[in-house]
Amino acid sequence: SQTIHQWPATLVQPVGSPLSLECTVEGTSNPNLYWYRQAAGRGLQLLFYSVGIGQISSEVPQNLSASRPQDRQFILSSKKLLLSDSGFYLCAWRDHGLASGRDLAKNIQYFGAGTRLSVL
Amino acid sequence: TQLLEQSPQFLSIQEGENLTVYCNSSSVFSSLQWYRQEPGEGPVLLVTVVTGGEVKKLKRLTFQFGDARKDSSLHITAAQTGDTGLYLCAGERNTGKLIFGQGTTLQVKP
Repeated sequence: SQTIHQWPATLVQPVGSPLSLECTVEGTSNPNLYWYRQAAGRGLQLLFYSVGIGQISSEVPQNLSASRPQDRQFILSSKKLLLSDSGFYLCAWRDHGLASGRDLAKNIQYFGAGTRLSVL
Repeated sequence: TQLLEQSPQFLSIQEGENLTVYCNSSSVFSSLQWYRQEPGEGPVLLVTVVTGGEVKKLKRLTFQFGDARKDSSLHITAAQTGDTGLYLCAGERNTGKLIFGQGTTLQVKP
């Protein structure tokens, strides 16, 4: 079975410090990978997604970057954190490609447990 | 621009009451998913609907996808305290990316 791991669970960082959040997936190959940010009690905002190694698409301009050095590893980074970077960060995966017709239900994203980032 | 409007944003009810959460859009979705999220955890998928007019039931939860595949609803019958959480709808337009609603925070009081 497939599993997704995200760490750390909680992080407190000073303004101006670097950031590295890691996400790994097991039990599947060539997944689509996603980074989201969520404000408290709100929906998810897509930050980055990747369809393969070294392929990163950015959805919103921001202080963060993403990298995919290996097939099942997705990293969210920043060189200098801002106060506004605080939030709950979620990694997700889904099967590569797009199912159609009755197989649309396969286009499901599975989420990690999230990282609570506090920038002080 | 918010493509998927979810309402209500907050809902506080007594145990045993019924409730409905709505997700509406002017855009057509190839599929729509409902998630439930506990504080400090990632969202967990409840159901995916893919056919216009589709109705799916999960115990006391009933999910409906609009005929035009632009809207969806989640109805909970006889709510229990264990139903408390954040409910999220998310639509896919066959791009590989999900568009999330703003979320509905449900509190069920004993």
